[in-house]
Amino acid sequence: EIVLTQSPGTLSLSPGERATLSCKASQTVGSNYFAWYQQKTGQAPRLLIYGASRRATDIPDRFSGSGSGTDFTLTISRLEPEDSAVYYCQHYDSTPLTFGGGTKVEIK
Amino acid sequence: DVELVESGGGLVQPGGSLRLSCAASGFTFSNYAMTWVRQAPGKGLEWVSGISNTGDDSGYADSVKGRFTISRDNSKNTLSLQMNSLGAEDTAVYYCAKVRSGVAWELPLDYWGQGAQVTVSS
Repeated sequence: EIVLTQSPGTLSLSPGERATLSCKASQTVGSNYFAWYQQKTGQAPRLLIYGASRRATDIPDRFSGSGSGTDFTLTISRLEPEDSAVYYCQHYDSTPLTFGGGTKVEIK
Repeated sequence: DVELVESGGGLVQPGGSLRLSCAASGFTFSNYAMTWVRQAPGKGLEWVSGISNTGDDSGYADSVKGRFTISRDNSKNTLSLQMNSLGAEDTAVYYCAKVRSGVAWELPLDYWGQGAQVTVSS
């Protein structure tokens, strides 16, 4: 099983600032089978990024993903108040699929 | 528009059983694999199970293997999760989710239902 470790646990930033979220895998994730999701309080998760760097439908271009192998990053270039949420990474390289523990992004 | 609506959640005693359903609409259900993901209170997401588009193949998390069974009825556009031998650790919101594209469940999830609450308690 691939274990995903996200950091930091919480990120507190002001609107307009840049957020950098990290996710490290316990083993190589093949073919960049890697995704990021956003979950706002009381809502279902929403797919942001898949294939490590491809934005899902209707996702603003301030969200970008990068990385390969065991190290992946989600960057929010200019934070907006509506970006307040918990962000989860996920691999879909093999069963069982696993999620990271999440990074909470707070907007000051 | 794609819509996924879970039902069948509720309160069940430890050791009991429950069957969740997910009604799908707005897309050709038989063309896509489907999954179940759960979220315990105040916790993160946990992938539970996935099923291929035809229902011929499925996979499970170790935590539910042998107790949960995923199935689908493509004639009724319905996904199901039969949960047996439930314990307190199974208390969670259960989401059904559609894979973004393809017939295998090892794919990103682009549409999610609103979730069904399952509470295991005496």
